[in-house]
Amino acid sequence: AQSVTQPDIHITVSEGASLELRCNYSYGATPYLFWYVQSPGQGLQLLLKYFSGDTLVQGIKGFEAEFKRSQSSFNLRKPSVHWSDAAEYFCAVGAADSGYSTLTFGKGTMLLVSP
Amino acid sequence: EPEVTQTPSHQVTQMGQEVILRCVPISNHLYFYWYRQILGQKVEFLVSFYNNEISEKSEIFDDQFSVERPDGSNFTLKIRSTKLEDSAMYFCASRGQGLSEQYFGPGTRLTVT
Repeated sequence: AQSVTQPDIHITVSEGASLELRCNYSYGATPYLFWYVQSPGQGLQLLLKYFSGDTLVQGIKGFEAEFKRSQSSFNLRKPSVHWSDAAEYFCAVGAADSGYSTLTFGKGTMLLVSP
Repeated sequence: EPEVTQTPSHQVTQMGQEVILRCVPISNHLYFYWYRQILGQKVEFLVSFYNNEISEKSEIFDDQFSVERPDGSNFTLKIRSTKLEDSAMYFCASRGQGLSEQYFGPGTRLTVT
């Protein structure tokens, strides 16, 4: 079975600084990988996804992520954080061999943005 | 832009009561899902549904849970006899054909007292 680890529960970044949120997955084959963002009281919004091809994927709101098979990682990055980016971020993996029926989520990283 | 909708946004019920959570997936989507998120914990998969039947379910999805697509637009999750531990945010999701992302609804917060 697949699993996802987000080692950082909370991260605080100054507005305008760069951001990297870590995500490691465990899955035997090539995974489908996703980053979702959840603002307080809101649902889950997809930031970006990786299915195949170019390992550096671009998403909405200026986010990008890089799939590194050798490190089983899919870290999320943004060059300059805005106060509106404060939210909880979830990494998720979809299992290709189950027909991508399910998503397994990490525990999330809460991003705090300081002025 | 089309979106997944869920009703109600918040449901309070007493232990032992039945609840039905409703979802309207994106209209041309074929795959439907329910997930839950207990407060402070991660989002967990409950069940997936395709072609009018359950395609996969987790160990959380026991006999107290059922899903139904009663018409061409709604997708429901029923909990027959709620327990305190069923208190959570329940998310519906849908996706289209082929390789595509799941779109999530805003969630229903279920509080069992």
